Formats: sequence, structure tokens, C-alpha cells
Amino acid sequence: TQLLEQSPQFLSIQEGENLTVYCNSSSVFSSLQWYRQEPGEGPVLLVTVVTGGEVKKLKRLTFQFGDARKDSSLHITAAQPGDTGLYLCAGVTSGTYKYIFGTGTRLKVLA
Amino acid sequence: DSGVTQTPKHLITATGQRVTLRCSPRSGDLSVYWYQQSLDQGLQFLIQYYNGEERAKGNILERFSAQQFPDLHSELNLSSLELGDSALYFCASTGTGTTGSYEQFFGPGTRLTVL
Repeated sequence: TQLLEQSPQFLSIQEGENLTVYCNSSSVFSSLQWYRQEPGEGPVLLVTVVTGGEVKKLKRLTFQFGDARKDSSLHITAAQPGDTGLYLCAGVTSGTYKYIFGTGTRLKVLA
Repeated sequence: DSGVTQTPKHLITATGQRVTLRCSPRSGDLSVYWYQQSLDQGLQFLIQYYNGEERAKGNILERFSAQQFPDLHSELNLSSLELGDSALYFCASTGTGTTGSYEQFFGPGTRLTVL
């Protein structure tokens, strides 16, 4: 079974703190996406990383794809209450069509 | 607004019944994915269709089936419903049909409650 493990599962921090969420697999991914989901709504795409070692920035969010394309991280600087939500990594392993979602990280940022 | 529509938004039914969930992908997208999300759980991939044909299958129960029609809309049929089938069901679409960047755009979901 192909798995995308995310850590931590839960994170509760104060506004202004920094945090990093990790997404790991033993499989190689042709590309990897990060999504944010709010309660009762569908996930919303944040970013796609494709090249090993790639770093992408989206305002206070920094995404990195591992050199071997097996892992990724999401770093949030100076977290705000609006960052609260479920963060999901997802991707398709090379040579397949099956789209796999990570186990999810539930973030709560307290004002 | 992702451009993906799902109906109905809410569905309440009894055990043993059958329901049909409907999804219209973004204009031009050929692939449709179905997911199940139980309370406070992650997304479980059910099935993918590409241009009318089944492309990949995940943890879909035999009581569940899906199809994609020539106009590319898709339906997910859930039969002999059990209490444990209560969940949010999401549909997503993507335009990429080959291995590559699979950015998915999600609909608002259908909340199914089985009583």
C-alpha cells in the first residue's frame, strides 16, 4: 500500500509562531500537491511541486520537495488564525494514475 | 469557486436505501475523482474516471459504483446503505490525463447522513 505519512497529526500554536509540516513516503512522486481544507468544505489547492529540491513560496508559506521526490515540507512563518485548517499533501507516484492523499495535519492557530 | 459542482449538498436517508450523487467537472477537465471523508478523517480515494472510462480504483466498496457520462459528468451510486457510510463525499476534476502534474479541483461536497 502506498502511503503518504504526514507529521505532526495535530498542531496547536499561538499566533506569530513558526511551524513545519512534513509529508513522507517510500515512493517516488512525479509531482506533489499541498491543499488546505476548512471544515465542511472541499480541499483547496495551495501549490504543486514537480522538481526534486524545488522550493516554492506563497506569502508566508514555503514548500519544499525533497531531492529524491519522496518527501515534502510546508513551513509557515508567523502563523495567523486564518491559517487554521487541515493541511493535506497528495500526489501520484511515478508510473501510476492513483492519486494518494496524505494522512493530514490539523493546525489550529490561537489568537 | 472551483468550477466543480456537486448535487445534492445534503442527503439524509435510511439504512438499506440507495442514493446517487452527481458531479460536474470543470469545463474541459476529462478526469473525475471521487473521495469519501468521514468525520475528522482524511480523504479516502474511491475511484477515478478519465473521459468516460475507469482509470483507477481505490478503497471502493462493492455496494458502491460510479460512471462517467459522455458529457463528462459523473455519478456515484451508493446502495444498501449502512450507518458507517455517513460521510462527506467529494468529487474533484483535473485536466491532466497522463502521469504528470495532477492538480485537483474539488467540489463543495455532498454530506450523506444515513439514519
